[in-house]
Amino acid sequence: DAKTTQPTSMDCAEGRAANLPCNHSTISGNEYVYWYRQIHSQGPQYIIHGLKNNETNEMASLIITEDRKSSTLILPHATLRDTAVYYCIVRGTQASYNTDKLIFGTGTRLQVFP
Amino acid sequence: EPEVTQTPSHQVTQMGQEVILRCVPISNHLYFYWYRQILGQKVEFLVSFYNNEISEKSEIFDDQFSVERPDGSNFTLKIRSTKLEDSAMYFCASRGGGGRNIQYFGAGTRLSVL
Repeated sequence: DAKTTQPTSMDCAEGRAANLPCNHSTISGNEYVYWYRQIHSQGPQYIIHGLKNNETNEMASLIITEDRKSSTLILPHATLRDTAVYYCIVRGTQASYNTDKLIFGTGTRLQVFP
Repeated sequence: EPEVTQTPSHQVTQMGQEVILRCVPISNHLYFYWYRQILGQKVEFLVSFYNNEISEKSEIFDDQFSVERPDGSNFTLKIRSTKLEDSAMYFCASRGGGGRNIQYFGAGTRLSVL
């Protein structure tokens, strides 16, 4: 089962920042937090991942709390095309290649409105 | 930008027929995966494949399923005798080696079993 808890749905106005929370209170020291999203029924799309430091790329920022028990994905200027289901996934390092499957939960359905 | 390619986009078959879903992973990637998503449900892991053998498989991946990398570019999922409950979106994913451990997904094949 997924090790994360996310709100079922969220709304965001276009142009505003979308802040998507995720709780992962049982995360262990060598586990990363990954974020993917799925637009309609398309394949999941990788967004960002991190271990303990905050991360930023061209798509989003990831803020991980100091105790690593929760994190927030930030889409700084949401557009209509960001409407999707967002998945927060906790997984170990690639050292154990035979246990690197992604376990998807139900995610957060983000609706960006005009 | 390199991408995972899946064909066909939609496959319709009769119950009991064999189907082969095809995937071309990202060039130079070493790890390959199949996931599926029944309509309205979570994305579920099926199987991972590395070094020409299955690394891990889920309970869903029973004797009716098989995977193969017949040449240096294709990665296939075969369902020997399809059932109605096999109707789903099937996603192929691949990742390279190294520390980033990011799986990239294809757009999926919609399998409809009649």
